[in-house]
Amino acid sequence: NAGVTQTPKFQVLKTGQSMTLQCAQDMNHNSMYWYRQDPGMGLRLIYYSASEGTTDKGEVPNGYNVSRLNKREFSLRLESAAPSQTSVYFCASSKATGGQGNEKLFFGSGTQLSVL
Amino acid sequence: GNSVTQMEGPVTLSEEAFLTINCTYTATGYPSLFWYVQYPGEGLQLLLKATKADDKGSNKGFEATYRKETTSFHLEKGSVQVSDSAVYFCALSDKSGGYNKLIFGAGTRLAVHP
Repeated sequence: NAGVTQTPKFQVLKTGQSMTLQCAQDMNHNSMYWYRQDPGMGLRLIYYSASEGTTDKGEVPNGYNVSRLNKREFSLRLESAAPSQTSVYFCASSKATGGQGNEKLFFGSGTQLSVL
Repeated sequence: GNSVTQMEGPVTLSEEAFLTINCTYTATGYPSLFWYVQYPGEGLQLLLKATKADDKGSNKGFEATYRKETTSFHLEKGSVQVSDSAVYFCALSDKSGGYNKLIFGAGTRLAVHP
């Protein structure tokens, strides 16, 4: 029972480099999300996809792009990494089509990203 | 805007001690409230939730009551175990901005020693 799978688990980038974080879920969920977790700040929503074919900005979208490749996969791209993007990134999914609300979120185990 | 404030950690307890982790919120309307838990090396998972005032959420011996009058949702457990060591996040549902989203607190780390 894989649930939500994120790759890679760890990544070190130099300022200006680009990379894509991959996320896939096998629960047939409609909604998928990308969060970042920073010390003392909790989790903040970067982007979400309420259903296949749609994506929307969350609280902190600047510097990121996303692609909902199909119902299973939702990737996060950093086009030109900056030290301020050093963080732990979590992908999550939920059954809901219209956002989070009362729905239960299922999280991946995270990607620890360092930008030097 | 809507926000969640949690007590700062870490909280360090001996096994079988009583646990309280404080959570207060600021919100317009009547949000649903949640506690998520993050075990070492894992993603967050839902621990319990309450959807209206005076509701009590409970799971795995943990409880939290939605208190509208004090805008609080404190997490409690009568007797903690070493396996409860984790980071606990309080969250609320925010329906502003045209979509539903979860707003998380900063998290409180709990360490339980034998």
